[in-house]
Amino acid sequence: DAGVTQSPTHLIKTRGQQVTLRCSPKSGHDTVSWYQQALGQGPQFIFQYYEEEERQRGNFPDRFSGHQFPNYSSELNVNALLLGDSALYLCASSLDSGAAGVDTQYFGPGTRLTVL
Amino acid sequence: GQQLNQSPQSMFIQEGEDVSMNCTSSSIFNTWLWYKQDPGEGPVLLIALYKAGELTSNGRLTAQFGITRKDSFLNISASIPSDVGIYFCAGQSMGGNTDKLIFGTGTRLQVFP
Repeated sequence: DAGVTQSPTHLIKTRGQQVTLRCSPKSGHDTVSWYQQALGQGPQFIFQYYEEEERQRGNFPDRFSGHQFPNYSSELNVNALLLGDSALYLCASSLDSGAAGVDTQYFGPGTRLTVL
Repeated sequence: GQQLNQSPQSMFIQEGEDVSMNCTSSSIFNTWLWYKQDPGEGPVLLIALYKAGELTSNGRLTAQFGITRKDSFLNISASIPSDVGIYFCAGQSMGGNTDKLIFGTGTRLQVFP
């Protein structure tokens, strides 16, 4: 049973460039959440995708956008990169249980983005 | 962004000692979770707590969901070298599709032989 996978593992970009990160959820999961983790900090919620739509969004600018595909995999796009976007980007997947309960999130290994 | 208050920030202990860390919030959560993160890796779920007052164990790990729903603690008994890492608490709410995780600031654990 494959867990959450992310690609690439590392990425180096320069200011102003655009980047796309990819995530495949754990088998059987239908919901993907993205988090940004700066060095020495806890992960910060960016947004969550369910049924190919953005369902929740954290306090991140519109430069951060995403997409979910019919096979539940997801992409995170960041435009006009800033130095402060350097971080570990984590993808977490879960199975939506509806209003009846909370959905435990399982994390991938992350993509380390460095902006120069 | 919002982060939960987690303490202590770091711990340096000897192998075999017990460890205790806690997490507090100004908001109520429906679920508390504890994750461990190794360098360069994603967080790995250790324990999930779903009810106020719940006490749950996973091997040498024991965690409790505070009765006020605003705090949680994690205990590790008889620590071993592989316990080294950063431990994060996370709170999760329910309802209105608001199930994002709010993480604590982390507790860095070092275990010396």
